[in-house]
Amino acid sequence: DTGVSQDPRHKITKRGQNVTFRCDPISEHNRLYWYRQTLGQGPEFLTYFQNEAQLEKSRLLSDRFSAERPKGSFSTLEIQRTEQGDSAMYLCASSPRLAGNVADTQYFGPGTRLTVL
Amino acid sequence: AQSVTQLDSQVPVFEEAPVELRCNYSSSVSVYLFWYVQYPNQGLQLLLKYLSGSTLVKGINGFEAEFNKSQTSFHLRKPSVHISDTAEYFCAVSGGGGNKLTFGTGTQLKVEL
Repeated sequence: DTGVSQDPRHKITKRGQNVTFRCDPISEHNRLYWYRQTLGQGPEFLTYFQNEAQLEKSRLLSDRFSAERPKGSFSTLEIQRTEQGDSAMYLCASSPRLAGNVADTQYFGPGTRLTVL
Repeated sequence: AQSVTQLDSQVPVFEEAPVELRCNYSSSVSVYLFWYVQYPNQGLQLLLKYLSGSTLVKGINGFEAEFNKSQTSFHLRKPSVHISDTAEYFCAVSGGGGNKLTFGTGTQLKVEL
């Protein structure tokens, strides 16, 4: 079990540029979540996938944000026309789906820290 | 809608002393409750979780928490802390479809010699 991995760990970009982050979940975990964490706050839910289907998006996810999970394996989160307010830690988590919709542990990756200058 | 309140943003404590980190939640559906720990520049690691059954839950590193439905609380405790417990602790709740987590704002535990 190699855990959830995220790439890159750090990204510095200029305002207006596009950025893309990647998340590789634990193998055979069919749920994948994206969260955003700003300084001094707890993580906030952005979106989640079950296999390749994106089932829910937070209102925090403006139209500049898009996430994909082709073939139900890794996922990418893209931010277009970045703004300084997008500076945050972007966390990915994965979990198996248990019968009866019982919550199971979400395993978090190390995060990608984005700084928009 | 669900929400989590962590009443203390910072808790200083001396090594080997007991500690309690407070968490209250609100939810209109049945909930599952979690405590995660975050060390600097790292992701979150699960300490313990309550899904059902016994209201006293034991986790890793000697931590435990008690689910109190009438008080809508899920406080985290440890009888004797160590320097290595210095970290940020987050309480979270999930429920409903998708089981997304709603986190509190975190409590910074600082253990001093």
